[in-house]
Amino acid sequence: EAQVTQNPRYLITVTGKKLTVTCSQNMNHEYMSWYRQDPGLGLRQIYYSMNVEVTDKGDVPEGYKVSRKEKRNFPLILESPSPNQTSLYFCASRPTGTSGAYEQYFGPGTRLTVT
Amino acid sequence: EDQVTQSPEALRLQEGESSSLNCSYTVSGLRGLFWYRQDPGKGPEFLFTLYSAGEEKEKERLKATLTKKESFLHITAPKPEDSATYLCAAYSGYALNFGKGTSLLVTP
Repeated sequence: EAQVTQNPRYLITVTGKKLTVTCSQNMNHEYMSWYRQDPGLGLRQIYYSMNVEVTDKGDVPEGYKVSRKEKRNFPLILESPSPNQTSLYFCASRPTGTSGAYEQYFGPGTRLTVT
Repeated sequence: EDQVTQSPEALRLQEGESSSLNCSYTVSGLRGLFWYRQDPGKGPEFLFTLYSAGEEKEKERLKATLTKKESFLHITAPKPEDSATYLCAAYSGYALNFGKGTSLLVTP
């Protein structure tokens, strides 16, 4: 089954304790992205990657890191989480091509609480 | 600046009561307009892609249409299982801009 998987699905942590949220897709998509979703603010892009070893900032990259060493994986790293990073996080992937207008496939989400 | 605005923010319908959700966009060089459905606590699920003004797509009780300034998601004779948040997103060739969504509740 074609899918995007994220782990963990739920995480409660404390301020300053480094964490990683993993994301993996099995559709051989070049493009992968991370979003956060907050009430009243909608989906906001954190980072994206056009292909292996190519990453770029989205709209809200502060406090986050990413890496893309393999095509299928795109982990999100919070090196020193703070309470304002409490949110619902989504990983997404899509193919790339000449038009670029391809739908994104989203993972199930990771609900992060930082106390 | 590219913007996507959805209205209304919330909509409550009786089962069978048809209505439309609006997505207005200001995006230079629209390459694609996407509609997604999102259930609480879950990832958005792709519904439609529209590429050019005048295009329409249908899926069960849903029909999406596109003009040069806005897109509509028409819901015909909705059922309670259609309750969800509906998101639209506009792709300019550089970025995908999401609206904040319309939360739809369909009551029996």
